[in-house]
Amino acid sequence: GAVVSQHPSRVICKSGTSVKIECRSLDFQATTMFWYRQFPKKSLMLMATSNEGSKATYEQGVEKDKFLINHASLTLSTLTVTSAHPEDSSFYICSASLAGENEQYFGPGTRLTVT
Amino acid sequence: SQKIEQNSEALNIQEGKTATLTCNYTNYSPAYLQWYRQDPGRGPVFLLLIRENEKEKRKERLKVTFDTTLKQSLFHITASQPADSATYLCALVRGGYGNKLVFGAGTILRVKS
Repeated sequence: GAVVSQHPSRVICKSGTSVKIECRSLDFQATTMFWYRQFPKKSLMLMATSNEGSKATYEQGVEKDKFLINHASLTLSTLTVTSAHPEDSSFYICSASLAGENEQYFGPGTRLTVT
Repeated sequence: SQKIEQNSEALNIQEGKTATLTCNYTNYSPAYLQWYRQDPGRGPVFLLLIRENEKEKRKERLKVTFDTTLKQSLFHITASQPADSATYLCALVRGGYGNKLVFGAGTILRVKS
């Protein structure tokens, strides 16, 4: 149980275009989903917290107009990287938690490369 | 500021031995601490959670200790296997409570047969 999927697993896009990444909880309802970014050999950095039906809460330094997050249902959250630039190239990972539990269940991650 | 420190150097051990990884933190009073495993190019996988009032927790070959006085957690893998080779991350709840996690940079474990 507690499986989280992400799509796509890898994406290459041109500078200036937008990319959407989907995060789905497959066998549970996730009231809260989290989006992280990870650089090579670095730790996960929390970007935003996404609650179903409400606006996402962004961490300090994360541009909400650049990283659009939508949590339309209890099983789906999307992250859209708008007007992507090469510096946005990174590994993006989502996670979800069950109501009342502290552990997070992570998706497999999405490798974004902006050329 | 709040900091989580894990040994940045890789830990190389022989198969069958016990691997011990360390997580130290400062300026935190976390209600709980978690350990995750991450394989290259994959998302982390939850392993264990230990609460502030628990000294030790076990799950199969895994054991975690939590010393809130020393502000340290130790993660042990007994009878290690090459399949245990991965990066192990410790995570604390930010601000001490809630559900936002702050992760350490992780320690790479390599188990050689």
